Amino acid sequence: EAGVAQSPRYKIIEKRQSVAFWCNPISGHATLYWYQQILGQGPKLLIQFQNNGVVDDSQLPKDRFSAERLKGVDSTLKIQPAKLEDSAVYLCASSLASNSPLHFGNGTRLTVT
Amino acid sequence: GENVEQHPSTLSVQEGDSAVIKCTYSDSASNYFPWYKQELGKRPQLIIDIRSNVGEKKDQRIAVTLNKTAKHFSLHITETQPEDSAVYFCAVWANSGYSTLTFGKGTMLLVSP
Repeated sequence: EAGVAQSPRYKIIEKRQSVAFWCNPISGHATLYWYQQILGQGPKLLIQFQNNGVVDDSQLPKDRFSAERLKGVDSTLKIQPAKLEDSAVYLCASSLASNSPLHFGNGTRLTVT
Repeated sequence: GENVEQHPSTLSVQEGDSAVIKCTYSDSASNYFPWYKQELGKRPQLIIDIRSNVGEKKDQRIAVTLNKTAKHFSLHITETQPEDSAVYFCAVWANSGYSTLTFGKGTMLLVSP
């Protein structure tokens, strides 16, 4: 089966600019996750979707981050405006349902200068 | 929310030795405990998982044990090989309130030939 697709793989922007990441989950996976992984740390959940509804966005900095999954399939994560501390790898993952194994994409490495 | 502690943060072993990584969690309702391996610059990949109705699970050189009473679970790697060198993350799926997967901070395992 095709894995979780993410783009772009790398992005370099200046602080205060905006950026968007795209994710296409494994076909049939109802649950989609966006994680932020800062160098040397474990993935931190930003937002979790069940189909096109938000299950948990308690750790999403909503003043600058937004995410959507309009048709219950692919998803976009946006940062506007970016800060230096947003430099991280943004991982998208999907699972067949909640409480089942997550499959990660290759991530987008964001560098904010 | 769920609190996941992982120890040690780094672990160096000689090839052929065993390695053990331990995680503790706080939510007694948690019921799914996966372990992920992340090689440098790559995505996390599931290597083994265990559910709360099972005390131990093995897959070749890898095993996971779960102590629900003490709220801790451990990853055991036997006969370590240099290709086992990576960062290992434990994760916990809480089953109360928001159902999300929370990761530990990771253990960097270095296997020396």
